[in-house]
Amino acid sequence: EADIYQTPRYLVIGTGKKITLECSQTMGHDKMYWYQQDPGMELHLIHYSYGVNSTEKGDLSSESTVSRIRTEHFPLTLESARPSHTSQYLCASSDLNRGNLYGYTFGSGTRLTVV
Amino acid sequence: DQQVKQNSPSLSVQEGRISILNCDYTNSMFDYFLWYKKYPAEGPTFLISISSIKDKNEDGRFTVFLNKSAKHLSLHIVPSQPGDSAVYFCAASASGGSYIPTFGRGTSLIVHP
Repeated sequence: EADIYQTPRYLVIGTGKKITLECSQTMGHDKMYWYQQDPGMELHLIHYSYGVNSTEKGDLSSESTVSRIRTEHFPLTLESARPSHTSQYLCASSDLNRGNLYGYTFGSGTRLTVV
Repeated sequence: DQQVKQNSPSLSVQEGRISILNCDYTNSMFDYFLWYKKYPAEGPTFLISISSIKDKNEDGRFTVFLNKSAKHLSLHIVPSQPGDSAVYFCAASASGGSYIPTFGRGTSLIVHP
């Protein structure tokens, strides 16, 4: 039973369109993350947040932006989609106080294809 | 430069036998290590973890071994089951930093009936 929800699951969109990938969690976690992952490759961190009104860029350069207005909601926006943005986007959350031995809870991901 | 390396992209094992997935790391500051399991079209799920103060952690059929001097960890699955067929990601993080883990590229495990 998923406690972190991503929509849409699949999206095919034309070049130049603006898109927002939604991510919501019901666990009250302070930390939230966006990763990008291609087959056979590692998960790359693109954005993260430690709480409301806190957002940081990750290791992977990205043309996307994020916002954290509510604890449970962490949407990712691409202002102008390009074919190079085609990938799987994974949202995750974790409890600030549980250290690092309990892992993240991931959503099911959004498979984005830009044509 | 990959700090967490999973050098075997795939592994094929017979049902009932042991599966051993390997992971090497280069950053000596890493002191937390985790394994995630990922099915196609799904997000990764946390499987098991270990901190650097231990060299072994066991949870049912899954055991993780850590060799700090070799900067190597491994995940053992005994006995392997067809439902274990998935991609397994190794991840490592440093308590002195942001705790945000660095992931390997994954190993695709196929368990044959």
